Amino acid sequence: NAGVMQNPRHLVRRRGQEARLRCSPMKGHSHVYWYRQLPEEGLKFMVYLQKENIIDESGMPKERFSAEFPKEGPSILRIQQVVRGDSAAYFCASSPPSGGPKGTQYFGPGTRLLVL
Amino acid sequence: ELKVEQNPLFLSMQEGKNYTIYCNYSTTSDRLYWYRQDPGKSLESLFVLLSNGAVKQEGRLMASLDTKARLSTLHITAAVHDLSATYFCAVDWSYSGSRLTFGEGTQLTVNP
Repeated sequence: NAGVMQNPRHLVRRRGQEARLRCSPMKGHSHVYWYRQLPEEGLKFMVYLQKENIIDESGMPKERFSAEFPKEGPSILRIQQVVRGDSAAYFCASSPPSGGPKGTQYFGPGTRLLVL
Repeated sequence: ELKVEQNPLFLSMQEGKNYTIYCNYSTTSDRLYWYRQDPGKSLESLFVLLSNGAVKQEGRLMASLDTKARLSTLHITAAVHDLSATYFCAVDWSYSGSRLTFGEGTQLTVNP
C-alpha cells in the first residue's frame, strides 16, 4: 500500500515564478492536509481539503497561495509570484473518510521549495 | 489561539540514560499525537493519545496524556543512538481531525 506521495521532492524557483506542489493521498483516503515547515520550526497548518471542497483554509496566506483537490488527480498547492520567504518544506498529509484510525494523519515525504 | 509548547527544545543525552520530553497545550483537546522526524525526512507517527490517562508504549518510548493538566510526556528509557531525531507533539483541537497544531519540536541527540 503506497503511502502519501508528493512531487516534486525538491523545487527551485526564482522570485516571481509560480510553484506547483502535488500530493497524492494514500489509497482510500479522501482527506488531504497541507502544512508548511520553515527551517528549524514545527509544522504550521495551511489548508484541509476533501474531494472538490476546501474545508478549512484558515492557515493559508491571504494572497498568492491556493489549493485544490479535484475529483480526479492529485491535490495541488499553488504559490504564485514566489518570494524568498516562501522557501520551506511543504508537507501533505492524508486520512481516510472517517478521520483515520483515531484521527491519525499520514505524512508524505515533503517538497522542499527553494526560492532564489 | 491554541499554543503547543515543548521542552526542552534541544536534548543531548548519553546512551543508556532516561529522559522525558514535555508537551503543554493551551486549549482543551482529547487528541494528542507524537511524531518523529529524521533530518530531511517526513514525519513518522509514533503515538495517538485519545483520552485522559492514556499511556502508550513502543520499545524504549512511552507516551502519556493528562488532559486536565493539558500535558503530555514522551519518556525515553535507556536511550540508544537510533533514537536521535526531532520529536514533535501535535494537538487536534478541531474535534474533526482536520487541523493539527504542532509544538516546536525537541531535537534529541543520543551520544555513544
